[in-house]
Amino acid sequence: EDKVVQSPLSLVVHEGDTVTLNCSYEVTNFRSLLWYKQEKKAPTFLFMLTSSGIEKKSGRLSSILDKKELFSILNITATQTGDSAVYLCAVGSGGSNYKLTFGKGTLLTVNP
Amino acid sequence: DSGVTQTPKHLITATGQRVTLRCSPRSGDLSVYWYQQSLDQGLQFLIQYYNGEERAKGNILERFSAQQFPDLHSELNLSSLELGDSALYFCASSVGPGDLTFGSGTRLTVV
Repeated sequence: EDKVVQSPLSLVVHEGDTVTLNCSYEVTNFRSLLWYKQEKKAPTFLFMLTSSGIEKKSGRLSSILDKKELFSILNITATQTGDSAVYLCAVGSGGSNYKLTFGKGTLLTVNP
Repeated sequence: DSGVTQTPKHLITATGQRVTLRCSPRSGDLSVYWYQQSLDQGLQFLIQYYNGEERAKGNILERFSAQQFPDLHSELNLSSLELGDSALYFCASSVGPGDLTFGSGTRLTVV
């Protein structure tokens, strides 16, 4: 059974801090690793990673994948209160039966 | 607005009842996915359809069923509802393997 484990489960920081969120996985027929941000409602897409060692960056957020060690990290620098959310890691697997398996998420709280 | 439309937004029903949740995918997306999100379990994959055909099945209970229609909208039917079925149900769509675009969800409360 496909498995995605995120750590920590929750994190409280002050504005301006840098945070690192972790995601490890065990899946059959790996295709991609994705990060989503979930605030009040629907998860919104952040990154999709398919190759090891290539950092993806969007503003203050960045992510990298290690396919040998089966993990990914999501970094957020200079955190702001608007970064407070649940960050979800998901792994895409399968061919015609493609699906995303999600971890339980990391709840990030950024205090002013 | 993500382009994925789910109705209704909220649903309150009694144990033992049956409900239907509806999803219209983003224009051009052929794949529809259903997920259940509860506080303790996180986002759990239920089922995936591609252009009307069931392609993948997750931990979907036998009391639950789904289908995708020729116009690509999908319905998730939940029957013999139990208190533990209370959760947020998300529909997502995609063109192919890759990132999914989620709708705003249907919050189901079983009383």
